[in-house]
Amino acid sequence: DADVTQTPRNRITKTGKRIMLECSQTKGHDRMYWYRQDPGLGLRLIYYSFDVKDINKGEISDGYSVSRQAQAKFSLSLESAIPNQTALYFCATSEAMNTGELFFGEGSRLTVL
Amino acid sequence: AQRVTQPEKLLSVFKGAPVELKCNYSYSGSPELFWYVQYSRQRLQLLLRHISRESIKGFTADLNKGETSFHLKKPFAQEEDSAMYYCALFSRGAQKLVFGQGTRLTINP
Repeated sequence: DADVTQTPRNRITKTGKRIMLECSQTKGHDRMYWYRQDPGLGLRLIYYSFDVKDINKGEISDGYSVSRQAQAKFSLSLESAIPNQTALYFCATSEAMNTGELFFGEGSRLTVL
Repeated sequence: AQRVTQPEKLLSVFKGAPVELKCNYSYSGSPELFWYVQYSRQRLQLLLRHISRESIKGFTADLNKGETSFHLKKPFAQEEDSAMYYCALFSRGAQKLVFGQGTRLTINP
């Protein structure tokens, strides 16, 4: 009954490769988010989308791009991966009238060699 | 600018002892604060929010606007409380949630 699903769950890649992380949700939420988790730095917002036509940069968007293919799908791309993009990436969703409650996926662990 | 600070990366206490996870914030408007928790092999999930004034799993958190703090407390820690805890601030104007650095709580038997 996973409401927010991320694929792949784990990925190892090399510097310079293009990587896409995918997120899909069955909660019917309009808003979707991509966060990055690093030890000691917490969760930092990369990109967020309030609906299919509304995409916004977060605090650390450089080196990343996103695509909101449908209400239920929000993909994060690293056009040319670099080692300092090694991290745990989380997708999250929220209702249109955001009250601050986010619903998270299980995370995608990316390692860039 | 809004900011959330959790000064302790790691916190270790014995079972049955009181627990306090510290959180301080910086925000020019009226803050809405939350605690999220991530148990081992589980998703990050909402633990409690200050506007609810509720106790979840024995945890409480009081918003102190004078000290700009929202510390999470539990009088008697249990082993199942071991987890990663994040304090978060919701900016209603920007409609974004900003997280602190997180505190890993370990409860020793």
